Amino acid sequence: GAGVSQSPSNKVTEKGKDVELRCDPISGHTALYWYRQRLGQGLEFLIYFQGNSAPDKSGLPSDRFSAERTGESVSTLTIQRTQQEDSAVYLCASSLGLAGVGTDTQYFGPGTRLTVL
Amino acid sequence: AQSVTQLDSQVPVFEEAPVELRCNYSSSVSVYLFWYVQYPNQGLQLLLKYLSGSTLVKSINGFEAEFNKSQTSFHLRKPSVHISDTAEYFCAVNWKSSGGYQKVTFGTGTKLQVIP
Repeated sequence: GAGVSQSPSNKVTEKGKDVELRCDPISGHTALYWYRQRLGQGLEFLIYFQGNSAPDKSGLPSDRFSAERTGESVSTLTIQRTQQEDSAVYLCASSLGLAGVGTDTQYFGPGTRLTVL
Repeated sequence: AQSVTQLDSQVPVFEEAPVELRCNYSSSVSVYLFWYVQYPNQGLQLLLKYLSGSTLVKSINGFEAEFNKSQTSFHLRKPSVHISDTAEYFCAVNWKSSGGYQKVTFGTGTKLQVIP
């Protein structure tokens, strides 16, 4: 597609349930990022994929959070046993993933607003 | 680890007045610096970035930012703002951790409100 898409756009769930958030990056982008933005706060880096490999998972807040990516395409972020503090907007971004990835411009999706009751 | 400080959470400014949005980061190790903008009801998008070379970088809509290594700053400026500049602006730093992993740290954002 033309841009990064995320689904669902909104998700309301009950505490203790599992949720799965989806990100479709721009075609050809090898790098993919997940962020969390709590109300009134900045973006919190969660995890980064180069291809289908996540070299650094240290940004994930707890072992309830996991992410995977199929090839250089779709990624899912799964939150198990959701808690109220998980309520936030979850943003996905993709980039070309050139050598020296730090130079890449990231293209962001519209986000998924997660509300845990 | 890097930290990014945007001291001003909100900046009100009259139309056609100049504005400066401040951004400081914590370390002078090799970094790449970005400003992203989020217009109302839209997603984040790149405004400008510094990778190397000239320390002054400019966007197509009149914003500019200057990389100051000694002050570890990357302040965003515009000499005359328009109503359409009303948005939230995020400063971001890309850096490599001691483990060799790429990391990204965002500031908490500054809401620019342009007053007619």
